[in-house]
Amino acid sequence: DTEVTQTPKHLVMGMTNKKSLKCEQHMGHRAMYWYKQKAKKPPELMFVYSYEKLSINESVPSRFSPECPNSSLLNLHLHALQPEDSALYLCASSLPGGDEQYFGPGTRLTVT
Amino acid sequence: SQQGEEDPQALSIQEGENATMNCSYKTSINNLQWYRQNSGRGLVHLILIRSNEREKHSGRLRVTLDTSKKSSSLLITASRAADTASYFCATDKYSGGYQKVTFGTGTKLQVIP
Repeated sequence: DTEVTQTPKHLVMGMTNKKSLKCEQHMGHRAMYWYKQKAKKPPELMFVYSYEKLSINESVPSRFSPECPNSSLLNLHLHALQPEDSALYLCASSLPGGDEQYFGPGTRLTVT
Repeated sequence: SQQGEEDPQALSIQEGENATMNCSYKTSINNLQWYRQNSGRGLVHLILIRSNEREKHSGRLRVTLDTSKKSSSLLITASRAADTASYFCATDKYSGGYQKVTFGTGTKLQVIP
């Protein structure tokens, strides 16, 4: 299995909703990443987990809450989002010491 | 910010022609990578060049790196319609078990059949 899966593919949520994005990989990668990508912009790093521990939080607002329950799974919990949070959310993973990141197809999030 | 700048922002060529994209970055790097993204989907890793390398080939791809000028170029030869995508350069810093990757602004390539 050489892929990163993300669910759901699309999500529409109101500003008062709570929802979660899910990312899964079974490649034995021990680093997992969340990126946010606005239209016509490059991906921007949000969070990095290394060996299930949060290693980087790029000053992301607390309405985004990451979780890494095990080495294969990464969640992003969303609460009280703003319309400007609408974007493509990408998950990636990499081997320890690896150079290449493997990306999932992304979740297209719309906040109404 | 370490974000790279890419040019051109957009490029339109005929199938069979070569496409060249350029990337400039600001700080010293470990590696420079190129990724492709098809419309609104995940990114796919294309090629990596290390800071002590000057040129690398992979199939129809040729990457050069000039660390003195802090620049890189990606050449796609004999382009195909399927090469239509956005291309991002990415600089990385490795830190004990993970990489911190910073993407450039991207070049949107259209290959016309």
